[in-house]
Amino acid sequence: QSGLTQPASVSGSPGQSITISCTGIINDVGTYNLISWYQQFPGKAPQVVIYELTERPSGISNRFSGSKSGNTASLTISGLRTEDEADYYCSSYTDRSNFVVFGGGTKLTVL
Amino acid sequence: QVQLQQWGAGLLKPSETLSLTCAVYGGSFNGYYWGWIRQPPGKGLECIGETNTNGDTNYNPSLKSRVIISVDTSKSQFSLRLSSLTAADTAMYYCARVVLTSHYFDVWGKGTTVTVSS
Repeated sequence: QSGLTQPASVSGSPGQSITISCTGIINDVGTYNLISWYQQFPGKAPQVVIYELTERPSGISNRFSGSKSGNTASLTISGLRTEDEADYYCSSYTDRSNFVVFGGGTKLTVL
Repeated sequence: QVQLQQWGAGLLKPSETLSLTCAVYGGSFNGYYWGWIRQPPGKGLECIGETNTNGDTNYNPSLKSRVIISVDTSKSQFSLRLSSLTAADTAMYYCARVVLTSHYFDVWGKGTTVTVSS
């Protein structure tokens, strides 16, 4: 089962905005808005920060936003803070297996 | 507030069977889907499978031949069995609640480290 493609790392300075891409195919990202983003700190379980492409769970800062163009979804974090430094994973429903597929993860460094 | 507590053997030998259980506290168990996700050391996340409280299951095709996920509604628990283990199954294993309509995991357990080594 092929996964989604994310950059291995991105970086930014406090106050800046960064975008993490997540590329799939027509069977997942390209057709469905069932795209989620997870934040994971070292040694901790992931936490969802975006679901259904653009929705934020209660308690998640509005600095986190999601979007999509074609087969590529994106997570944007604006007003970058040092506490945003973490690994970020995208996921999408795929109709190839009626299941969920994850991206390989992106390490965000806040310089 | 829903909390998931998971447990199971952490060190196994090749060819053995992994067995993990996850208990749900502080919220409704019935009417939801519950899943297992794993993360090899230094690598990304992989969905293993999910079940609802009726016992309907959905498995990752790449693991389907070796996986059984079961549910015990009387105890608000669900379990994972993964057979014929190899070193490639070494990972952190998480249980989680599934929001099926949106296909995401909204509540996670803390994780259990499973090492497969002879």
